[in-house]
Order: sequence, then structure tokens, then C-alpha cells
Amino acid sequence: GAVVSQHPSWVICKSGTSVKIECRSLDFQATTMFWYRQFPKQSLMLMATSNEGSKATYEQGVEKDKFLINHASLTLSTLTVTSAHPEDSSFYICSASRPSGRALDTQYFGPGTRLTVL
Amino acid sequence: LAKTTQPISMDSYEGQEVNITCSHNNIATNDYITWYQQFPSQGPRFIIQGYKTKVTNEVASLFIPADRKSSTLSLPRVSLSDTAVYYCLVGPTSGTYKYIFGTGTRLKVLA
Repeated sequence: GAVVSQHPSWVICKSGTSVKIECRSLDFQATTMFWYRQFPKQSLMLMATSNEGSKATYEQGVEKDKFLINHASLTLSTLTVTSAHPEDSSFYICSASRPSGRALDTQYFGPGTRLTVL
Repeated sequence: LAKTTQPISMDSYEGQEVNITCSHNNIATNDYITWYQQFPSQGPRFIIQGYKTKVTNEVASLFIPADRKSSTLSLPRVSLSDTAVYYCLVGPTSGTYKYIFGTGTRLKVLA
């Protein structure tokens, strides 16, 4: 099946530093990827839509200058958390839809990245 | 964006069949119903997807009534490893569609 990978799987950083998270579609091309954030015991919250070759679209309440998204190729999207603070500590998950050639595309999720800001 | 409603939690015992129902009263004509499973500290994993009637694969069945305003995920003979959160999502199968996650159902399988 389709595989979406994320790197790193976990990261610990100091407050004020920036952290980059990569999301890759390993066996298919994805013009659109999505970034979610999940706090403990809560559901996934959509942060933004990453579009290859164009600017990301952010959900209401998500600071685009803090969460920088770059979709440089059809297989790679990156999320950079700038000037991270402890409240940014969370589980970040990306997803991508694999084109099936039919109407039935399926969205696949990466394994997630655990960010801890000290 | 179709809104979904699921029970917050369910308990079951090993070997039993588990049915999780999802309500989606405002489902659109071109919307499909997709179920995902999520273990702690992992990304959601695709389980099954359908449009109407019944869909079955090697891990689950999905029952969708004629009015499509609800759906039921059926897990046959659950084991402890099926303890997870199950999400019901509704939307068109377009690669650009933004899924909005509901609360999900936290299934706990007991020995």
C-alpha cells in the first residue's frame, strides 16, 4: 500500500529554536499534503494544506509565520515550527492522498512526529 | 464539511464482534465514508472505505444504510491489539479534500 513517512519521529528542542519536520510520499506523487496537530487524548486538528508549487493554505487560528510550510516537490512537504515554545509541544502528523486513477482516492497518514519543546 | 458523531468510548471483550456507529446526517451525494484506526503515538491507519450498502475487507466490514446518514464499522472477533481510537470521516475522495476529524471512538478490548 501507499506509504507516507515523516522525519524525525521525535525531536526535543530548546525554547526559541526552530524545528523542521519532513513529510514524504514514498511510492506516489502528492500535489497536496495536509498537516495536523494532535494533543494528548484529543483528536487530530487540521493545521494547513500544503500545495506543491504554491503557498500553503492555513486553517483559521493557525499562525502562518510560526508554522512555515514548504512543498518543494511532488513527494516532499516540510513543516518548520519557528521560535518554538513549550505550548508548541505536540504530535504532528502529515497526510497525502494517493491518486488511484479512479474516483476513489484514499488519504494516507504519516507515522507522526513528537515535538517536545523545553 | 460533513460533521460526524460517534460514541466517545466503547468497551468489549476479546473474541466479540464490535460495531461502532457513526452519524453523518448531512452527507453529500459525492461523499464517501472512510474509517481509520489510530494507536497511541502513531498516525491514523486506513481501515475501510465505502459509499453505500456493504463493504468488506480482510479486517472489517462497513455497513451503510440506503439513506447514508449513518454507517457502522464492524470488527469481527476483536483482540487486545484492536484497542485503539477509531475515526469516521466523510468527504469526497478528492486529493485536495480537507478531512475534519471528529472525536473518534476509543475502543478498549478487555481480556
